[in-house]
Amino acid sequence: DGGITQSPKYLFRKEGQNVTLSCEQNLNHDAMYWYRQDPGQGLRLIYYSQIVNDFQKGDIAEGYSVSREKKESFPLTVTSAQKNPTAFYLCASTSGVYSNQPQHFGDGTRLSIL
Amino acid sequence: DQQVKQNSPSLSVQEGRISILNCDYTNSMFDYFLWYKKYPAEGPTFLISISSIKDKNEDGRFTVFLNKSAKHLSLHIVPSQPGDSAVYFCAGTDSWGKFQFGAGTQVVVTP
Repeated sequence: DGGITQSPKYLFRKEGQNVTLSCEQNLNHDAMYWYRQDPGQGLRLIYYSQIVNDFQKGDIAEGYSVSREKKESFPLTVTSAQKNPTAFYLCASTSGVYSNQPQHFGDGTRLSIL
Repeated sequence: DQQVKQNSPSLSVQEGRISILNCDYTNSMFDYFLWYKKYPAEGPTFLISISSIKDKNEDGRFTVFLNKSAKHLSLHIVPSQPGDSAVYFCAGTDSWGKFQFGAGTQVVVTP
């Protein structure tokens, strides 16, 4: 079955530590996205990538970094510069930027501070 | 600047009755709108969408209505079932790669 796999499901970060969240898709989608969800808030866009080796900042990119070396993979690094990283992180993909197709989502990673 | 707003954080409805969820947007460049359903600790799942060239789209128990002049869309669920209890997000996109989501509406279907 095609889909998006996020790992780990739960992650704990110590102060001053960088952590990386994994996102893999086997849907052959070109575009991939990272969102952050906080309680009572909608999904806020962190970064997105339309093609391999290219990505753009979303609305809340500060303190995060991404890479897109392979079509199927779009890892997100939460750096020590992100002072409030506790949130639910969601990865999504869609077949193409201009295709007007819905996004498919993974099941998320919950990140907490130790 | 929140471009998509869901002003009702929660909605309680009796099983078998109609659920109506509302969403307002400010970006007149949006040309595609979607509704997602989300259970706790899971990713959102796509429910139904509508293109800006239409004013209604129906899929089984779910119907989405779009009023472009009012920049308003709504989702009707008829009849509501216990499994419909979840958070519902509306989203809009202008086809340039970015989707904007509302804050969500928690729906509780009671027996």
